[in-house]
Amino acid sequence: GENVEQHPSTLSVQEGDSAVIKCTYSDSASNYFPWYKQELGKGPQLIIDIRSNVGEKKDQRIAVTLNKTAKHFSLHITETQPEDSAVYFCAAKRADSSYKLIFGSGTRLLVRP
Amino acid sequence: ETGVTQTPRHLVMGMTNKKSLKCEQHLGHNAMYWYKQSAKKPLELMFVYSLEERVENNSVPSRFSPECPNSSHLFLHLHTLQPEDSALYLCASSQDTNSETQYFGPGTRLLVL
Repeated sequence: GENVEQHPSTLSVQEGDSAVIKCTYSDSASNYFPWYKQELGKGPQLIIDIRSNVGEKKDQRIAVTLNKTAKHFSLHITETQPEDSAVYFCAAKRADSSYKLIFGSGTRLLVRP
Repeated sequence: ETGVTQTPRHLVMGMTNKKSLKCEQHLGHNAMYWYKQSAKKPLELMFVYSLEERVENNSVPSRFSPECPNSSHLFLHLHTLQPEDSALYLCASSQDTNSETQYFGPGTRLLVL
């Protein structure tokens, strides 16, 4: 079955710097890759997603890139702010599995003021 | 707010207790999910309901018993739990089981003594 590995498990950056979180997946049939942000005391919230027919997607300060050949995708946050501090999860889903998201183990991002 | 609420937010129970977790979604969705979130582990899908019918039971021990009386409400009944069941239990919903985006509630933090 699908396996998603996420690195690093913790990341500390200075406010204003960029942060990059990487995930690799094992199932070449996966075609949907969302990123969720989980703030303290809250459930995960979708922040951006990408499908396998696209190589990059941007939404203001966040972007996601996908390399289908290497089976990895990354989240990029630019000009980080303290409110970006949270746990970030990547996930992957096969085209034929409807709802079944396979999640990575999470990255705890700390943005130092 | 995501439109998915969970009660209680925190629960401490002994191994011989019986308790229930409640989830309610105000989004008009037809699919609801229970996930288990343990420290430094990926989210684990436990149960999936589509229009009040269970469509997934992911090898979850029988001491966890889900109930979906209607498409807006989902319960997780707990009995004779083990300390290793201590975790954050997240409820989520989506438009239907073919929808990729899932909306999570804030979770119930469960501690089993």
